[in-house]
This record gives sequence, C-alpha cells and structure tokens, in this order.
Amino acid sequence: QKEVEQNSGPLSVPEGAIASLNCTYSDRVSQSFFWYRQYSGKSPELIMSIYSNGDKEDGRFTAQLNKASQYVSLLIRDSQPSDSATYLCAVLNTGNQFYFGTGTSLTVIP
Amino acid sequence: DTGVSQNPRHKITKRGQNVTFRCDPISEHNRLYWYRQTLGQGPEFLTYFQNEAQLEKSRLLSDRFSAERPKGSFSTLEIQRTEQGDSAMYLCASSLGRGVSVNGYTFGSGTRLTVV
Repeated sequence: QKEVEQNSGPLSVPEGAIASLNCTYSDRVSQSFFWYRQYSGKSPELIMSIYSNGDKEDGRFTAQLNKASQYVSLLIRDSQPSDSATYLCAVLNTGNQFYFGTGTSLTVIP
Repeated sequence: DTGVSQNPRHKITKRGQNVTFRCDPISEHNRLYWYRQTLGQGPEFLTYFQNEAQLEKSRLLSDRFSAERPKGSFSTLEIQRTEQGDSAMYLCASSLGRGVSVNGYTFGSGTRLTVV
C-alpha cells in the first residue's frame, strides 16, 4: 500500500464549477497535510496546509481533513482555466519526510 | 531572498558519466531535501539534511548517489556512473523545521537530467 493515494484523473470541470480532489493516506499518526499545485514542466508550489480535522478556507481553495477516515480533500471553487495543473497531496510522516501522491491532473474547460 | 535555487536547470549526459547538481536553499531554512520526480509520478524522497547533518536517506538512493551539505548552507547531489533510469527531474526543497511540524516545503525549479 502506498503512503499517499490519489486518483490520477484526468479530472475535467467547466469554468466556474467546483473541482474536488481527493487523497487518502496510510500512516494513521500523520499530523500535517499539504496540497501542492504543479504546472507542466515546473516544480510544485504549496497551495494549502491543514493540520486539524475540519475545513480550512483560503480564497477559492478549501482543504478538508478527516483523520478518522485518513482522508484529505481540496475543493476549488469558481474554477478557472489557470487552475489547470496537477495537484499533489503530501503527508508529513513521523520521520519528518513528505510523502507525495502521484497527483491528480485537473483541466478546467473554458 | 530569491527562494530555492538549483543549478543547472538542465543536464544531458552520456551513460556512465558522473554529474553533480547544486541547491541553494532559502537562507534561514535549516532543513534541505532532495527529491526525484519522473513523468506522471509524484516527487520521491531521496535524502534530507538538518543543517549539515544528513539525517535520512531513502533506499532509493543507491551507492552511486551521494549528497553533501558541508556548511549547512548549499547542498550538492552527485550521481556516479549514470544510467538511463536516472533520467528524471531532481528537486531540492527547503524548510524551517520546528520539531515535527514543518510549514511545508519551498521547492526549487529543479534540475532535469537526461541520460543518453
């Protein structure tokens, strides 16, 4: 079992819709969770971090964490074509290593 | 501070040659990480330093790979006797770690290695 699992997609949504990206993790004691965005040929950039159960909102982005279900999600409201990218879920394990999922490719259709 | 800097951006080398990459982290960041990313995959952990100490190495890091961070500032990653399977994007990241919680990574632009 991989440490972090994501659906690779591709996920396509129309402009203005909500994009929902999901991630599950295997290390039950993980405490820190992150979403990165990666454009083709570029390095990942941090979008959001979340540490506590519940929702965390930042502009059009909302991260959701459910530690009991070992589940993290990212919602993107009012999706824009510029949001088209690969979204990586990352989990910090107890050894201070980040484990990344394989990423979900998102395409926002104008 | 211009962020995490990696050099070179691109490297093409013949199989069997040695290559060395450099990473300059954000100046106040005490932790430095090396990751490798191949097409369609997420970044895979290779090794990390806290200051000058190399605290962990992945089993992905064969004996042909070595990393140093001699003064706790910049780091180098050397690959000896390169193989075609080494072709990947090599990413460096840094962070300011406080205990277990880390405020995310800042990645450099990466070095894309192509072994021909």
